[in-house]
Amino acid sequence: QTVVTQEPSLTVSPGGTVTLTCASNTGAVTSGSYPNWFQQKPGQAPRALIYSTSNKHSWTPARFSGSLLGGKAALTLSGVQPEDEADYICLLFHGGAWVFGGGTKMTVL
Amino acid sequence: QVQFVQSGAEVKKPGASVTVSCKASTYTFTSYVIHWVRQAPGQRLEWMGWINAGNGDTKYSQKFHGRVTITRDTSATTAYIELTSLTSDDTAVYFCAGQLSSGWYFWGQGTLVTVSS
Repeated sequence: QTVVTQEPSLTVSPGGTVTLTCASNTGAVTSGSYPNWFQQKPGQAPRALIYSTSNKHSWTPARFSGSLLGGKAALTLSGVQPEDEADYICLLFHGGAWVFGGGTKMTVL
Repeated sequence: QVQFVQSGAEVKKPGASVTVSCKASTYTFTSYVIHWVRQAPGQRLEWMGWINAGNGDTKYSQKFHGRVTITRDTSATTAYIELTSLTSDDTAVYFCAGQLSSGWYFWGQGTLVTVSS
């Protein structure tokens, strides 16, 4: 069974830069896992940010970027804004199934 | 932007079945793969399965195989998920989401399904 792991929580100062990661227990995350990243705020549906590792949607703010880093998928926020406080959830494709990470709760303080 | 609008909240008794719908506001409905995902209180998102809105092909998570059926009505640009033999563990918010190529794009607003005797 594939398990996808993210940092449970992170705190970042406004204007700062932070990188969130997404790992798989099956081995290195590659582009073939088609990493997707979502932002979810309390009581709301997830909102898509990044697909296929590093591609942004038309509505994704420029400060968000995706990459592969040390065998993991990564989401970097540069110049964090107060409204970026949310849960960030990754999604990987493995073995014909899609698997979500547990999410990283990012606090902006 | 495409919208996926889901049906309203449901309350069901254990052992019953539930069907949730997801209507897409786009004439390109058949270009999408529609996923169904659920989120139990305080839990991570859980992928349940998908349907290719174009050709009707489906794939289900092993966890739900035999209990879940995903269908679509192209004329109504609507996808459906039916979950049978409900237990309290099925209490969750159910989401649909649309995928194009390798990207998940738009999500429905979510439908709360409560299973309680």
